[in-house]
Amino acid sequence: QVQLKESGPGLVQPSQTLSLTCTVSGFSLTSNSVHWVRQPPGKGLEWVGAIWSGGSTDYNSALKSRLSISRDTSKSQVFLKMNSLQTEDTAIYFCTRSRIFDYWGQGVMVTVSS
Amino acid sequence: DIQMTQSPSVLSASVGDRVTLNCKASQNINKYLNWYQQKLGEAPKLLIYNTNNLQTGIPSRFSGSGSGTDYTLTISSLQPEDVATYFCFQHNSWPTFGAGTKLELK
Repeated sequence: QVQLKESGPGLVQPSQTLSLTCTVSGFSLTSNSVHWVRQPPGKGLEWVGAIWSGGSTDYNSALKSRLSISRDTSKSQVFLKMNSLQTEDTAIYFCTRSRIFDYWGQGVMVTVSS
Repeated sequence: DIQMTQSPSVLSASVGDRVTLNCKASQNINKYLNWYQQKLGEAPKLLIYNTNNLQTGIPSRFSGSGSGTDYTLTISSLQPEDVATYFCFQHNSWPTFGAGTKLELK
């Protein structure tokens, strides 16, 4: 069945780079897009960016200068890298499948703090 | 960016009630509107996609309608397990979410 699972460090220091991995199963990255969505504690959802089935990427305009999304199709993994982290980047980061976000990972909590 | 405004922000209702949640877009989103349910500590779950299409496995008491800028999620008979926050989401252009409606039991 379709599954997505996020992994990465729970704590990142301010100004450092965040690296997250989304490992998927039950579908192909060459046939489906994968998106990143984040949710600050107690707040709403924000689309971060996407990598499409063909490998092209799109980013939230507010984050674009700090963000990179890539993938390794042989390992069924999607990667998010965000640099110059600030406290306001503290959030649960989810990966989700397809343009309609039909399947989600359980999320990974990332805290930006010294 | 398209702004999505949900109302009300909090809704209290009783078991068995018909419940209506609203979502208004700042411009026409051509029915590219989804609804998600998020329970505390869980990932969002897709309920309805493209305005009125029920996702597989979702109970038929959930339904969606709307067009242009105005959209609605209806729960025909509220159940205790429906207590959650509901988010609308547009994917007509750069994706954006509403701020959510928190549904509570009265």
